[in-house]
Amino acid sequence: NAGVTQTPKFRILKIGQSMTLQCTQDMNHNYMYWYRQDPGMGLKLIYYSVGAGITDKGEVPNGYNVSRSTTEDFPLRLELAAPSQTSVYFCASRRAGPQAEQYFGPGTRLTVT
Amino acid sequence: QQPVQSPQAVILREGEDAVINCSSSKALYSVHWYRQKHGEAPIFLMILLKGGEQKGHDKISASFNEKKQQSSLYLTASQLSYSGTYFCGTETREIQGAQKLVFGQGTRLTINP
Repeated sequence: NAGVTQTPKFRILKIGQSMTLQCTQDMNHNYMYWYRQDPGMGLKLIYYSVGAGITDKGEVPNGYNVSRSTTEDFPLRLELAAPSQTSVYFCASRRAGPQAEQYFGPGTRLTVT
Repeated sequence: QQPVQSPQAVILREGEDAVINCSSSKALYSVHWYRQKHGEAPIFLMILLKGGEQKGHDKISASFNEKKQQSSLYLTASQLSYSGTYFCGTETREIQGAQKLVFGQGTRLTINP
């Protein structure tokens, strides 16, 4: 199992550009999540999904969009990038059930200048 | 809604003990603990579900006091490998079953030889 994979690992965007962060998991998990982590801070939930075709907003959804067409993939779209979106983005997945742990991907380090 | 962790940072010598606390203003359903090394993804440590539950793994253990709405992580006879930032993630009873974690701001633990 590869677990949770994310691409790219690093990216530099200019203000106003758009991009998609890719996330794939091969554990057949229903639940998937996108977090952002600013330097020295905790993880803030951007969006999450409870299954294919179902997504919902987290704590900080503004400036982002997601889709979930398959169980495996959960891409995060940034439209009109702003310097405030400079952060490390982590994707995570989890199976259903209260005892389930979350598995995190390696992260994407994004800089917007 | 974000849980509050204390202390924010701890510096120990190898072999010393540490306690990290996680407190919530809302009734908790579960508490997850993760450790993150610099530049890496968070790694799962343990989940506590029931009030009064205690779990242990090697020399790292945790307790969950449901009445006080808090959890504590205990690191005994700390090793150099324990260095990193520790996060608690909480699920509140009002969204019980949503499987959506809210993370604390983290506690940075430094172990010196």
